[in-house]
Amino acid sequence: KNEVEQSPQNLTAQEGEFITINCSYSVGISALHWLQQHPGGGIVSLFMLSSGKKKHGRLIATINIQEKHSSLHITASHPRDSAVYICAVSRTDKLIFGTGTRLQVFP
Amino acid sequence: KAGVTQTPRYLIKTRGQQVTLSCSPISGHRSVSWYQQTPGQGLQFLFEYFSETQRNKGNFPGRFSGRQFSNSRSEMNVSTLELGDSALYLCASSSAVSSYNEQFFGPGTRLTVL
Repeated sequence: KNEVEQSPQNLTAQEGEFITINCSYSVGISALHWLQQHPGGGIVSLFMLSSGKKKHGRLIATINIQEKHSSLHITASHPRDSAVYICAVSRTDKLIFGTGTRLQVFP
Repeated sequence: KAGVTQTPRYLIKTRGQQVTLSCSPISGHRSVSWYQQTPGQGLQFLFEYFSETQRNKGNFPGRFSGRQFSNSRSEMNVSTLELGDSALYLCASSSAVSSYNEQFFGPGTRLTVL
């Protein structure tokens, strides 16, 4: 079993839909990261959080430390949100990555 | 501020050769981490350098090595290349003294081993 699990693996949405991507982890962490990777490879850090909730524009990330679970929400999705979203957890010595969720948003 | 830069962006090598990849962090960042991304294994941590010292290391063979210079620029080297080393190699820099605060990623170097 992977230490970081994401669901779903693939997600298709119509423009304007509300999207949720989930991340569960089984190890102790110091922080959880949500990353976005567009075709071509570049990765952008969206959020780093260790408790509670953070919001940036149409993106919201939450984490429940007791349940070892985090969610990334996208409100009013847009085709430009199409990308792979990766959850990663920080331990004292490294980052451990989930396998990613491929999101496609159609007009 | 300029972002993280990596050179070269694309590289084609043959089995048995060696390769050196370069990463220039954001100005002022002292931590540089390297990652390998393949379709089969996803993203995996290679190593992290801070102030010219390797602070953490992932589970990769000794053919993978790195170093960091006094200006925080970092290089990674892969010797005796294998077909399975074909991957996107990403570096990321961070300003924090403690490991694994927010990471800023470079565009990556896509290595193809023939």
